[in-house]
Amino acid sequence: GAGVSQSPSNKVTEKGKDVELRCDPISGHTALYWYRQSLGQGLEFLIYFQGNSAPDKSGLPSDRFSAERTGGSVSTLTIQRTQQEDSAVYLCASSLYDTGVQNEQYFGPGTRLTVT
Amino acid sequence: GENVEQHPSTLSVQEGDSAVIKCTYSDSASNYFPWYKQELGKRPQLIIDIRSNVGEKKDQRIAVTLNKTAKHFSLHITETQPEDSAVYFCAASPANSGYSTLTFGKGTMLLVSP
Repeated sequence: GAGVSQSPSNKVTEKGKDVELRCDPISGHTALYWYRQSLGQGLEFLIYFQGNSAPDKSGLPSDRFSAERTGGSVSTLTIQRTQQEDSAVYLCASSLYDTGVQNEQYFGPGTRLTVT
Repeated sequence: GENVEQHPSTLSVQEGDSAVIKCTYSDSASNYFPWYKQELGKRPQLIIDIRSNVGEKKDQRIAVTLNKTAKHFSLHITETQPEDSAVYFCAASPANSGYSTLTFGKGTMLLVSP
């Protein structure tokens, strides 16, 4: 079946502009995660959604970052007033949800954001 | 919060040799430890995971060991092949009401030379 998809695959924006990154999770996956991967770095957790609510936003680096999820499916990560340090690959992942059990997270291909 | 350290950052081996990547974690509540492989320009993919109720898990040429007392876990790849070349990430997660917020190590770039 279809995996996690993300759009756009690449985004170049000028410093100070706002950007929106989209994630389409695997159908039926109620858990959705956003991560950021900077060059040569590991994956940095940003935010977790269970359905449409976000019980864990602890990884969002500043109030310029926000995310929403609608219909328990598509999620959008918005970065306002982008800065050069926001340049990175933004990865989305989804998984099934079972109480007390961690399930495999399936990653999307990522959006490479470049802030000039 | 959780902190995961991963070593080495780069690892070069000859085809057929074994490769070992080690990770340590700080949060004793962590009980799920997946390993992801990321080929150049591609998405991370799960290759093996281990839960805290076992000490070792194998899947063909790949094995993972876990020492909860010492808070470290390792990935072992035997009979390496050029297609094993990739960046490998370890991660750790506590069980929080059914979701796993993964804390990742910084990755190990494995290069297998023919």
